[in-house]
Amino acid sequence: QSALTQPRSVSGSPGQSVTISCTGTSGDIGAYNFVSWFQQHPDKAPKLIVSDVTRRPSGVPDRFSGSKSGNTASLTISGLQADDEADYYCCSYGGNSNVLFGGGTKLTVL
Amino acid sequence: QAQLVQSGAEVKKPGASVRVSCKSFGFTFTEYYIHWTQQAPGQGLEWMGWINLYSGYTNYAQKFQGRVTMTRDASINTAYLEVNGLRSDDSVVYYCVRGGRDVRQTSFDPWGQGTLVTVSS
Repeated sequence: QSALTQPRSVSGSPGQSVTISCTGTSGDIGAYNFVSWFQQHPDKAPKLIVSDVTRRPSGVPDRFSGSKSGNTASLTISGLQADDEADYYCCSYGGNSNVLFGGGTKLTVL
Repeated sequence: QAQLVQSGAEVKKPGASVRVSCKSFGFTFTEYYIHWTQQAPGQGLEWMGWINLYSGYTNYAQKFQGRVTMTRDASINTAYLEVNGLRSDDSVVYYCVRGGRDVRQTSFDPWGQGTLVTVSS
């Protein structure tokens, strides 16, 4: 199975909104609502920010929101802040007990 | 609060094996899955497989089949990843992460702090 497809980079100014896409297939993102997003700062472990397509864990600001349409999931970050600058990874159950990650998207806050 | 603590950094020679441990705290060990991922320097996350902490059943990504083994010792709430036949491209950070109670869940949290393995002659 191939990894999920994410843009390599996105950017935005403080206060703006950005959306990161994650494209899979009808056998993974399109088939299941087990889609998550992770934030990773340099030299840190990833952190869960969205699970089950739209669910935010306790402590994650509501500036982070997830959605899904067909075979594509999206993460929207509104009211960009300097600390949002990080790498973001999508993840989906891929069927047959397998898991897929996206290649990662580097968010730059201008 | 749930927490995973991994073993320390390792330096290994090509062809050697390495075993990384992942000790859990703050949750009922046998109710969950542990997944392992790897991350090469400057690269993305790559899923390696999972272990059911109750049964010990495992499932490995095709790329790693035959070269990795995931085990657990429920008496000490610890999961293990063993990688055999180390090569230079195995110089990565290995992360353990708790999955859900359902194998399909990708709500991976918490993560271990990561274990850097360096393969060098």
